Amino acid sequence: GAVVSQHPSWVICKSGTSVKIECRSLDFQATTMFWYRQFPKQSLMLMATSNEGSKATYEQGVEKDKFLINHASLTLSTLTVTSAHPEDSSFYICSAPPAEWSIDTQYFGPGTRLTVL
Amino acid sequence: TQLLEQSPQFLSIQEGENLTVYCNSSSVFSSLQWYRQEPGEGPVLLVTVVTGGEVKKLKRLTFQFGDARKDSSLHITAAQPGDTGLYLCAGENAGNMLTFGGGTRLMVKP
Repeated sequence: GAVVSQHPSWVICKSGTSVKIECRSLDFQATTMFWYRQFPKQSLMLMATSNEGSKATYEQGVEKDKFLINHASLTLSTLTVTSAHPEDSSFYICSAPPAEWSIDTQYFGPGTRLTVL
Repeated sequence: TQLLEQSPQFLSIQEGENLTVYCNSSSVFSSLQWYRQEPGEGPVLLVTVVTGGEVKKLKRLTFQFGDARKDSSLHITAAQPGDTGLYLCAGENAGNMLTFGGGTRLMVKP
C-alpha cells in the first residue's frame, strides 16, 4: 500500500525557535497533502491543505504566518512552525491522497510529536 | 513499525443493511480511535476505546476493542445514506503516536 513518511518523529525545541516537519509520499505522487494537529484526548484538527505549486489553504483560526507550508514537489510538503511556543506542543500529522485517486482516500503519515519547552 | 490493516477498503450497501468494518494488527495499542471523514473536511473522532474487550455504542454504531487490544471493529446497524463517508481507525501506542488504518469508504444507497 501507499506509504507516507514524516520526519522527524519527535522534536523538542526551545521557545522562540522554528521547527520544520517534512511529509513525504514514498511511492506515489500527491498534488495535495493535508496537515493536521491533535491535542491529547482530542480529535485531529485539519490545519491546512497543501497544494503542489501553489499557496496552501488554511482553515479558519490557523495562522498562516506561523505555520508555513511549502509543497514544492509532488512528493514533499513541509510544515514550519515559526517562533514556536509551548502552546504549539502537539502531535502533527500529514496525509495525502494519491494524485490519481479520489481525494476521499488518504494515507496518513506516522506523525510528529512536537514539544516546545 | 506498527501496522493497522483495515477492511474492507470499499463497501457499497443498500439503506437498512448492517455492516462491519475491521481493524487488525499484530501490535498492541494503548487505545484505538475511530474517525469518520467527509470530503474536504478533517476526520471527526467518533469514539476512543481503551480497555481490552470494551464495547461502546453510539446510536446505531457499535465499537469493540479486542481483548488483546490488537484489533477493533465498527458495526453499523440499519445503515442510512447519512452514514456514507470514509471511516478510519487509528491505534495509539504508549508513546502517544498514532498509526492509521487505510480507511474504509462506505457508500449507503437509498
